[in-house]
Amino acid sequence: DAGVTQSPTHLIKTRGQQVTLRCSPKSGHDTVSWYQQALGQGPQFIFQYYEEEERQRGNFPDRFSGHQFPNYSSELNVNALLLGDSALYLCASSPLMMSTGELFFGEGSRLTVL
Amino acid sequence: ELKVEQNPLFLSMQEGKNYTIYCNYSTTSDRLYWYRQDPGKSLESLFVLLSNGAVKQEGRLMASLDTKARLSTLHITAAVHDLSATYFCAVEWGSGGGADGLTFGKGTHLIIQP
Repeated sequence: DAGVTQSPTHLIKTRGQQVTLRCSPKSGHDTVSWYQQALGQGPQFIFQYYEEEERQRGNFPDRFSGHQFPNYSSELNVNALLLGDSALYLCASSPLMMSTGELFFGEGSRLTVL
Repeated sequence: ELKVEQNPLFLSMQEGKNYTIYCNYSTTSDRLYWYRQDPGKSLESLFVLLSNGAVKQEGRLMASLDTKARLSTLHITAAVHDLSATYFCAVEWGSGGGADGLTFGKGTHLIIQP
């Protein structure tokens, strides 16, 4: 049973560019959440997708957007990259219904903005 | 705004010793989670605490939740080197009943020396 998979694992961009990160949830999970983890910090909630719609959103600007596909996979897009966007981006999945709220995290995509 | 505070943030201890990590949070919530993160790796779920008085144990780790005091503890018994990692507590916000966003603490960086 494959867990949460993310791609790419590492990438380097320059300021002003745009990036797309991808996530496939654990089998049987229909909800995908994205978190940003800066070096030495705890993860911060970006947003959550369920049934192809953004269900909840954290305190992140509109430069951060997402999408969920019918197969429950998801993308995170960040426009107009800033140096401060350098971080580990974690995708987490869970079943929405009958859920304990426990999240299953992927290995992350490490973004460096130069 | 929900705030989650962990202490200590750094802890160096010897094998065989006992210690407790504390997690305080600022608003009412009945759902608290503990995660472990190894360097350069993703987050691994350790415990899911869903009610006041909940206690969970796995090996040398035991977690408890006091929702009235808004406090959770992670107790380490007879520490071994393999437990060296960063430990995060996270509290669920939102309406509950499903996979809502989590607010994480800054993490406790634990080093266990032989």
